[in-house]
Amino acid sequence: DSGVTQTPKHLITATGQRVTLRCSPRSGDLSVYWYQQSLDQGLQFLIQYYNGEERAKGNILERFSAQQFPDLHSELNLSSLELGDSALYFCASSVGHDQPQHFGDGTRLSIL
Amino acid sequence: GENVEQHPSTLSVQEGDSAVIKCTYSDSASNYFPWYKQELGKRPQLIIDIRSNVGEKKDQRIAVTLNKTAKHFSLHITETQPEDSAVYFCAATDTGGFKTIFGAGTRLFVKA
Repeated sequence: DSGVTQTPKHLITATGQRVTLRCSPRSGDLSVYWYQQSLDQGLQFLIQYYNGEERAKGNILERFSAQQFPDLHSELNLSSLELGDSALYFCASSVGHDQPQHFGDGTRLSIL
Repeated sequence: GENVEQHPSTLSVQEGDSAVIKCTYSDSASNYFPWYKQELGKRPQLIIDIRSNVGEKKDQRIAVTLNKTAKHFSLHITETQPEDSAVYFCAATDTGGFKTIFGAGTRLFVKA
């Protein structure tokens, strides 16, 4: 158990819909990272927050947004969903930048 | 931006042999290089990491080497075992350390 909790584990929805993925970091970790992993693909960095502030953005689509709340949990919002958004979405947390990241078990999103 | 290239994409070795996975990075200011192991259907897990002020680090059968001049780092697994079979990802953080860029992954097969 990494201490990082992601909910839900699975999500099935239709094109055009909007979903919210939730992540609770390990106790004491201030940084939260979001990654997208498509089938048999690598980990694509989406966005990173540190203590409530956005610190870095990767190739995150405009249809996607995220935030980190005062209690440090984070949410990734995906809207106007397309078939290509089907993937495993991982959240990771760390104490700070340049520190080991601990991954959650991921949310598997399936778009029908 | 930062780019990380990883080779080979697939590696098959006999049990007991050594395995070497190589990565190159583009951002000369990168100073943290973690390696993650991802078993099928599971989350990535940190196996070893190295910082730019160190040339080599070992942890039992696993070692990582870093050549800052060449912007190259490698993972070495000795005495491989079937349970080492997994996908291995190298990564590098960009300037400032807020963005982590992963290599495309190496699928390692250890044949018994």
